[in-house]
Amino acid sequence: NAGVTQTPKFQVLKTGQSMTLQCAQDMNHEYMSWYRQDPGMGLRLIHYSVGAGITDQGEVPNGYNVSRSTTEDFPLRLLLAAPSQTSVYFCASSYTQGWEQFFGPGTRLTVL
Amino acid sequence: EDKVVQSPLSLVVHEGDTVTLNCSYEVTNFRSLLWYKQEKKAPTFLFMLTSSGIEKKSGRLSSILDKKELFSILNITATQTGDSAVYLCAVSNAGGTSYGKLTFGQGTILTVHP
Repeated sequence: NAGVTQTPKFQVLKTGQSMTLQCAQDMNHEYMSWYRQDPGMGLRLIHYSVGAGITDQGEVPNGYNVSRSTTEDFPLRLLLAAPSQTSVYFCASSYTQGWEQFFGPGTRLTVL
Repeated sequence: EDKVVQSPLSLVVHEGDTVTLNCSYEVTNFRSLLWYKQEKKAPTFLFMLTSSGIEKKSGRLSSILDKKELFSILNITATQTGDSAVYLCAVSNAGGTSYGKLTFGQGTILTVHP
C-alpha cells in the first residue's frame, strides 16, 4: 500500500494563478480531509469529505474548492492564489470520522 | 467552537529526562482525543483516547485522558534525541454537522539535547 500520496511536493505560484493539489489514498478510507499548517498555528481544517460525492467546509475554507468523485481521490483547488495561501498543505484519510488519520507527505506552496 | 490548547509551547531537555506535555480542550460533543508526533514531515499517529483514566502506552510514551477536567497528558520517559519533534494534540467532535472533525492544538516543540 502506498498510503496517502500528494503531488506536487513543492509549488511556487504567482498571485492570481490557479492550481490543483492532488491527493490519493489506496486504503479504501471513506473520510478524507485537507489541512493547512502555518507556523505556531497547528493544523487547520480546510475541507473534508465523508465519502464519494460528499464534501463539507472546515475551519478555513475560503479560497479553496474540493470535489470527491471517487473514494480514492480528493483534489484541492486554489482558484485565485493569494500570498495568504502560502503554507504547507496536508491531505489525510481515515477509515471513519474522528478516528486515526493517516497523513500524506505534504505540499509546500509559496504564492508570490 | 471547539478549542485545543497545548502547553508548554516549547520545551528543551537533556537525554534521559522525563517530560510531560499537556493538552486541554473544549469540545461541544467529545468523541476522541488523538496525539501525533511531527518531525520534518507529516504527522504520525501516537495514541487515540476515548475513555477517562485508561493509560495508553507504547514503549517510553504513555498518555491518559481526564474527561471530567477536559485534559490529556503525554509522558515521555528517558528521552532520546530522536524524540525531538512537534507533538500535536487533536480532539474529535461527535455531534451534528461537526461530527468527526478534528481540531488541532498549536503543538509543543520538544528539543532533546545529547
